[in-house]
Amino acid sequence: DAGVIQSPRHEVTEMGQEVTLRCKPISGHNSLFWYRQTMMRGLELLIYFNNNVPIDDSGMPEDRFSAKMPNASFSTLKIQPSEPRDSAVYFCASSRTGANYGYTFGSGTRLTVV
Amino acid sequence: AQSVAQPEDQVNVAEGNPLTVKCTYSVSGNPYLFWYVQYPNRGLQFLLKYITGDNLVKGSYGFEAEFNKSQTSFHLKKPSALVSDSALYFCAVRDGQAGTALIFGKGTTLSVSS
Repeated sequence: DAGVIQSPRHEVTEMGQEVTLRCKPISGHNSLFWYRQTMMRGLELLIYFNNNVPIDDSGMPEDRFSAKMPNASFSTLKIQPSEPRDSAVYFCASSRTGANYGYTFGSGTRLTVV
Repeated sequence: AQSVAQPEDQVNVAEGNPLTVKCTYSVSGNPYLFWYVQYPNRGLQFLLKYITGDNLVKGSYGFEAEFNKSQTSFHLKKPSALVSDSALYFCAVRDGQAGTALIFGKGTTLSVSS
């Protein structure tokens, strides 16, 4: 099993540009989560999906952020336009549906907006 | 609402000594509790979880955690620390209701000196 795969590993972009982060969950996992990690705020839940349907997006910072899950094997997190304060490590995680299951995390995308 | 607190930003111990990383939680229903570890430039890795049953839970790499319902705590412990245990540790909680996402604490940096 290849685990949760995120791309790219690193992204450097200029303020105002569109950024798209990608995630491939583990096959058979029905839940997918996007988290953001910063020194100041720790690990924040942005949005999560069950069976490709967004369940809770209350953690999405503002309208510049959007996430999609067009099928069970792919999700994107898009920031448009990007700002320097969006600089962080973005993690994708997946799990089987059910409260007793833990999450498997990807290696993260380190985003730097200059 | 659910929340988790890790009161110590950093814990320092000498190799061979026991270690404790503290975690307290707040949740409306039954708490499902997790510990994760993060090494530099890596994603989070699952250590152990408490769902129900024995209050003492054993996990990976010799770690264990004790669930204390009256004190709403789930402290991570290890009898004898290794230098290789140095990392960032996260406690996480979710309500027993299926479909809710894990909420993570801010993390505690464990530093084990030789």
